[in-house]
Amino acid sequence: KAGVTQTPRYLIKTRGQQVTLSCSPISGHRSVSWYQQTPGQGLQFLFEYFSETQRNKGNFPGRFSGRQFSNSRSEMNVSTLELGDSALYLCASSFRTANTEAFFGQGTRLTVV
Amino acid sequence: GENVEQHPSTLSVQEGDSAVIKCTYSDSASNYFPWYKQELGKGPQLIIDIRSNVGEKKDQRIAVTLNKTAKHFSLHITETQPEDSAVYFCAASSMNAGGTSYGKLTFGQGTILTVHP
Repeated sequence: KAGVTQTPRYLIKTRGQQVTLSCSPISGHRSVSWYQQTPGQGLQFLFEYFSETQRNKGNFPGRFSGRQFSNSRSEMNVSTLELGDSALYLCASSFRTANTEAFFGQGTRLTVV
Repeated sequence: GENVEQHPSTLSVQEGDSAVIKCTYSDSASNYFPWYKQELGKGPQLIIDIRSNVGEKKDQRIAVTLNKTAKHFSLHITETQPEDSAVYFCAASSMNAGGTSYGKLTFGQGTILTVHP
């Protein structure tokens, strides 16, 4: 059974640009969550999607957005990139909704220069 | 909201020794507590989890204990091996007003475990 797949693995962008990251969950999983990981702030929750609906959102500015497609694949978008957005962005998928095992992908390393 | 404190930040042991990592949480409504292992260049890997209706859970060399009254939980690794070297994160489900977490986990800051051969 394939795990969570995130693409691309690495990205370098310039300040002010926008970026889109992709996540394909484990087959059969309908819940997808996104996290930002930085050395200073650790792992922080961005948002969660289930059946194409965002059901939960962390404390990030509106520049961070996401969506989920009917096949449960998810994308997140960051607009007007800032240097502080440099991080490892992780996607996790779960079979059910709340309080169940979440399996992470390898992440997308975003560097903003 | 939920706050999770994790200690120690670094832990160095000899191969064969035991390792213990401790976490405390603030929200008494949290009811799911997973532990993740993250190796360099990889995403976090779920290694064990526990729910609030259980006090202890074991899986081979790994065990987790939960004390709901004190709001703390611990990871115990016995007979450590060099391949156990990694960063370990505890987490707690973060409940919203409706009583569900909808995928939100609050993580501790991580423990760098080094097992010396």
